[in-house]
Amino acid sequence: GAGVSQTPSNKVTEKGKYVELRCDPISGHTALYWYRQSLGQGPEFLIYFQGTGAADDSGLPNDRFFAVRPEGSVSTLKIQRTERGDSAVYLCASSSDRPPDTQYFGPGTRLTVL
Amino acid sequence: KQEVTQIPAALSVPEGENLVLNCSFTDSAIYNLQWFRQDPGKGLTSLLLIQSSQREQTSGRLNASLDKSSGRSTLYIAASQPGDSATYLCAVRSYGGSQGNLIFGKGTKLSVKP
Repeated sequence: GAGVSQTPSNKVTEKGKYVELRCDPISGHTALYWYRQSLGQGPEFLIYFQGTGAADDSGLPNDRFFAVRPEGSVSTLKIQRTERGDSAVYLCASSSDRPPDTQYFGPGTRLTVL
Repeated sequence: KQEVTQIPAALSVPEGENLVLNCSFTDSAIYNLQWFRQDPGKGLTSLLLIQSSQREQTSGRLNASLDKSSGRSTLYIAASQPGDSATYLCAVRSYGGSQGNLIFGKGTKLSVKP
């Protein structure tokens, strides 16, 4: 596919459970970003990868959140001991590292914690 | 800390009208500014990206301007159509830190009535 893909599109889990959200960036894009969007709000930054390494993880809310990108392509966002407040749409974006470094977004994963 | 504000929060216009959406940001040290469209339950579609050295960008019926010194951008939509109905988000990429993440406004929800 030509665009950013995210799986699953919807995830319903119970409070306290562990979840993994997957992002497949556009082929060749070295930069990958995770954002979280709550209802009625703009997306909020979580973490940014340049290649395999996390260049900026300052947006992760606490140590229950962790993300990896072991081969510099696919990324997984992991949330431990989920809480109801984690319910949101999790968006992934990718970009090249050359201007214009437009960020292209995937359709998102809607996470609901019951 | 960079903050992005979008006015109005919602806008309803009849088909055919020209309209302007406003975006303001508090720190003028930006790398670029990007306008997105978001349809209900969907991810973000990039509309226009303006680098800090540019004053405007155009794509079809859309024109985005940037006045970095005053911390403002506008998105002009000509001859609006019902298919333009969506939420429009403005986001800036600031200098400092990893320069990776976008900071978003809350969006303007546009409704174009046939």
